[in-house]
Amino acid sequence: GAGVSQTPSNKVTEKGKYVELRCDPISGHTALYWYRQSLGQGPEFLIYFQGTGAADDSGLPNDRFFAVRPEGSVSTLKIQRTERGDSAVYLCASSSPGGKQYFGPGTRLTVT
Amino acid sequence: AQSVTQLGSHVSVSEGALVLLRCNYSSSVPPYLFWYVQYPNQGLQLLLKYTSAATLVKGINGFEAEFKKSETSFHLTKPSAHMSDAAEYFCAVSYGQGAQKLVFGQGTRLTINP
Repeated sequence: GAGVSQTPSNKVTEKGKYVELRCDPISGHTALYWYRQSLGQGPEFLIYFQGTGAADDSGLPNDRFFAVRPEGSVSTLKIQRTERGDSAVYLCASSSPGGKQYFGPGTRLTVT
Repeated sequence: AQSVTQLGSHVSVSEGALVLLRCNYSSSVPPYLFWYVQYPNQGLQLLLKYTSAATLVKGINGFEAEFKKSETSFHLTKPSAHMSDAAEYFCAVSYGQGAQKLVFGQGTRLTINP
């Protein structure tokens, strides 16, 4: 079946602009995660959804970052007033309850 | 707080040689431990996971890892390296088996020399 998909695969934006990154999880997976991977580093947890609600958003770096999952499936990570330090690969993963996390290919965000 | 340390950001071995990638963790509660592999331009793929059932865990592609509580380690090994094993490897820890956030190490890039 289809895996986790993320769009766009690459996004280049100017400093100060607003961006949205989309994640389509595996059908039926109730849990969805966002991670951020900076160059040369391991993925860093941002936020975790169980269904429509954010069960843990402790990894969001500041209030410029926000994520939604209104119908419990697709999720959008939103970044306001982007900064050069936001440049990274943003990874999405999904899982069934108690199951392993399946990762998407990521969105590479470059802020110029 | 949980954390993971991977010793060696870059490991290079010859084809056919033993692969050993080191991972040490800190956790205030019994951990769940994972190894993921990331091939170029691909998503993270789970190699294996430890969930307290057995200390020696076998994964895909001939990899295995041993949980050693006394050493707080979860090193990844493979007896004989293949060229196709060249990738980035990440150790991760969580409180729960699945639906919990993962805390990753910084990764180890494995290079295989012909």
